[in-house]
Amino acid sequence: DIQMTQSPSSLSASVGDRVTITCQASQDISNYLNWYQQKPGKAPKLLIYDASNLETGVPSRFSGSGSGTDFTFTISSLQPEDIATYYCQQYDNLPMYTFGQGTKLEIK
Amino acid sequence: QLQLQESGPGLVKPSETLSLTCTVSGGSISSSSYYWGWIRQPPGKGLEWIGSIYYSGSTYYNPSLKSRVTISVDTSKNQFSLKLSSVTAADTAVYYCARQVVAAFDIWGQGTMVTVSS
Repeated sequence: DIQMTQSPSSLSASVGDRVTITCQASQDISNYLNWYQQKPGKAPKLLIYDASNLETGVPSRFSGSGSGTDFTFTISSLQPEDIATYYCQQYDNLPMYTFGQGTKLEIK
Repeated sequence: QLQLQESGPGLVKPSETLSLTCTVSGGSISSSSYYWGWIRQPPGKGLEWIGSIYYSGSTYYNPSLKSRVTISVDTSKNQFSLKLSSVTAADTAVYYCARQVVAAFDIWGQGTMVTVSS
């Protein structure tokens, strides 16, 4: 099985800060990596698919990059409404879908 | 606008079978472009993919749950369903249904909490 390591597990930042979350796969997954935002009591929301593609309607301050085993999710300028838990999700050819452990983002 | 809605019992006894249905509205479950998936989230924990189904009935499951999971589809009702057998307290979770496009889950239901307890 492919293991996903997401870091950090929690993060505190100020409004306007640049925020970065990383996800590392235990083996090459090409660009099969998606990012989700989950607010308390709500379902996850797809933000980025295939590592770097912004889902329709998602603000451009969100971005993703990477391929192979190392991936990065960035919020260029943190807004109060971005407070949430963020998950990466990988796909392999079993097929099997695995989510990262999550990063809880808080306002400093 | 496509919407998904989970329904089913909120309380299931240990060793029994958990049964949930996802009703799709605002679009057809028979679209050739999508799979339909189940994902769960234990309280305070992360997300776990359970399995997915195509409108034709083709399925694939998380290997860790495969022996206990059955996902089926009813295109006449625009619904797909989850059955999880021999449940224990570890199966207590919020269960989500979602539309799957290639390898991403792009539209989700609101989720339904299922508690396993006697």
